[in-house]
Amino acid sequence: NAGVTQTPKFRILKIGQSMTLQCTQDMNHNYMYWYRQDPGMGLKLIYYSVGAGITDKGEVPNGYNVSRSTTEDFPLRLELAAPSQTSVYFCASRGSGGYNEQFFGPGTRLTVL
Amino acid sequence: GENVEQHPSTLSVQEGDSAVIKCTYSDSASNYFPWYKQELGKRPQLIIDIRSNVGEKKDQRIAVTLNKTAKHFSLHITETQPEDSAVYFCAAADILTGGGNKLTFGTGTQLKVEL
Repeated sequence: NAGVTQTPKFRILKIGQSMTLQCTQDMNHNYMYWYRQDPGMGLKLIYYSVGAGITDKGEVPNGYNVSRSTTEDFPLRLELAAPSQTSVYFCASRGSGGYNEQFFGPGTRLTVL
Repeated sequence: GENVEQHPSTLSVQEGDSAVIKCTYSDSASNYFPWYKQELGKRPQLIIDIRSNVGEKKDQRIAVTLNKTAKHFSLHITETQPEDSAVYFCAAADILTGGGNKLTFGTGTQLKVEL
């Protein structure tokens, strides 16, 4: 199993551009999450999904959108990128059952200039 | 919503000494408390977790304690080694009624183990 994979690894965007961060998991996990990690800070939840077709906002959803058309994929869309969105983005997934571990992807480092 | 505070932000110990990292949480409904280790440039990885019906859990050199009354939990690392150097994050979640089992993370502790 590849686990949780993310693309791209690095990206530089200009202000106002848009992009999609890809996340795929091959563990048949129902739960998927997007976090952002700013320097010296913890991880903050952007959006999450409890299954295909179901998504909900986390703590910091403004400026982002998600979709979940399949169990495997959970892309994160940035519209009109702003410097405040410069961060490292982590996708994670978790199986069903109350105490299962969240498995993280390798992250995408995004810079908005 | 839940708020998790973590202290200290940096911790330097000599190899072989013990390290303790403390977290407090605000939501009494939280019942799951994982600890993640993140090495530089890498993804966070779970090292240990504890449920609210347990006061302490050990796994070799690491242990976690939970005080539900005071709403705080701690990570203890004994006999520290250079490879323990990393950023450690605590987190909390209500995984019984919370819907989505969303984790709220602390701000992290940079642990440095010196030779």
